[in-house]
Amino acid sequence: GAVVSQHPSWVICKSGTSVKIECRSLDFQATTMFWYRQFPKQSLMLMATSNEGSKATYEQGVEKDKFLINHASLTLSTLTVTSAHPEDSSFYICSASEGRPGGEKLFFGSGTQLSVL
Amino acid sequence: GEDVEQSLFLSVREGDSSVINCTYTDSSSTYLYWYKQEPGAGLQLLTYIFSNMDMKQDQRLTVLLNKKDKHLSLRIADTQTGDSAIYFCAEADTGRRALTFGSGTRLQVQP
Repeated sequence: GAVVSQHPSWVICKSGTSVKIECRSLDFQATTMFWYRQFPKQSLMLMATSNEGSKATYEQGVEKDKFLINHASLTLSTLTVTSAHPEDSSFYICSASEGRPGGEKLFFGSGTQLSVL
Repeated sequence: GEDVEQSLFLSVREGDSSVINCTYTDSSSTYLYWYKQEPGAGLQLLTYIFSNMDMKQDQRLTVLLNKKDKHLSLRIADTQTGDSAIYFCAEADTGRRALTFGSGTRLQVQP
């Protein structure tokens, strides 16, 4: 089946630094990718929808200047957490849709655990 | 907005059946999904069902959908210790491919 690769799996950084997370669809083209955030013992919350070649659509309450999303190609989307702070520590997961609009199958990356010291 | 709810915890003995329940509010939901998440890992799609279906079976997994009551369930037959994980139900409507997730149900399988 379709594979979505997410990198890195975990990252520890100092407060104030920026961290980039990559999400790649390995064997299919994904015009749309999604970025989710998961706090411990909570559900995934959609942060933003990333469309290839255009600006991302952010959910209410998500700071677009803090969470920069770039979807420069049909197989790669990146999420950059700028000037990270401890409250940004979380598990970030991307997903990509294969197939026709309606997306009955969404494939998820393995996630990135971000810890900001 | 859309809301998806699940019970938080379920404990079963190995070999028994597990039933995880989910309710949702969005009447325009078109696709309903079950995902499995093991510790520190991403989500694994287990199965999905279209809203015009009542039931779908896939090996040990049976999904039941009551669209009138907006109730979805996942039954795992002959539950094994390897099934211990968090199970998320999620829904999407036709126009919006992003998913709305439930809070997840932690399944604990006791030997």
